[in-house]
Amino acid sequence: SQQGEEDPQALSIQEGENATMNCSYKTSINNLQWYRQNSGRGLVHLILIRSNEREKHSGRLRVTLDTSKKSSSLLITASRAADTASYFCATDEYGNKLVFGAGTILRVKS
Amino acid sequence: NAGVTQTPKFQVLKTGQSMTLQCAQDMNHEYMSWYRQDPGMGLRLIHYSVGAGITDQGEVPNGYNVSRSTTEDFPLRLLSAAPSQTSVYFCASSYAGGLDTGELFFGEGSRLTVL
Repeated sequence: SQQGEEDPQALSIQEGENATMNCSYKTSINNLQWYRQNSGRGLVHLILIRSNEREKHSGRLRVTLDTSKKSSSLLITASRAADTASYFCATDEYGNKLVFGAGTILRVKS
Repeated sequence: NAGVTQTPKFQVLKTGQSMTLQCAQDMNHEYMSWYRQDPGMGLRLIHYSVGAGITDQGEVPNGYNVSRSTTEDFPLRLLSAAPSQTSVYFCASSYAGGLDTGELFFGEGSRLTVL
């Protein structure tokens, strides 16, 4: 069964706006990762946050992790049309299994 | 570096046929895995390997076999294809293993249709 569940399932915003996606999970984790998938392509790693970290930044990306609520959020600031893609969270369960959620489809309109 | 290479990119099979999806990586990663992606369901782990000679089952292993004879290659075999195996298959590798699955590097996917 899937560990992470992303919310919302789909998001449509204007270029320049911020996009926030949320991920909830069920069990204890070692780390949580976010990936992007452009249509018809493989997934690309965006950011990894460990269970002892609360916030991490990478360029226009900001990820938070709240282990007490078993949730994470991905914020993309100043969105661009090129950010249009599906975004997945993935949780690293102890035991070498990276489990993915169903994803959020982001559309950035120019 | 080519990264993770999957072949074929597209394949059509008839029910009952067998085939092998190939996956090769040139990054000397110990960890390799296979996922399938179906609409609305994200990626589901089929099998994974933490090193040559070691494989284990993921979430949806039935109907699939894997082997890991070298660090570079991790083929996925469909023993007797069924329409339910119509999907996009992704191979991914990582430098990490043990208690920490690091960043996964993905191939471009193999689209399989079973008629």
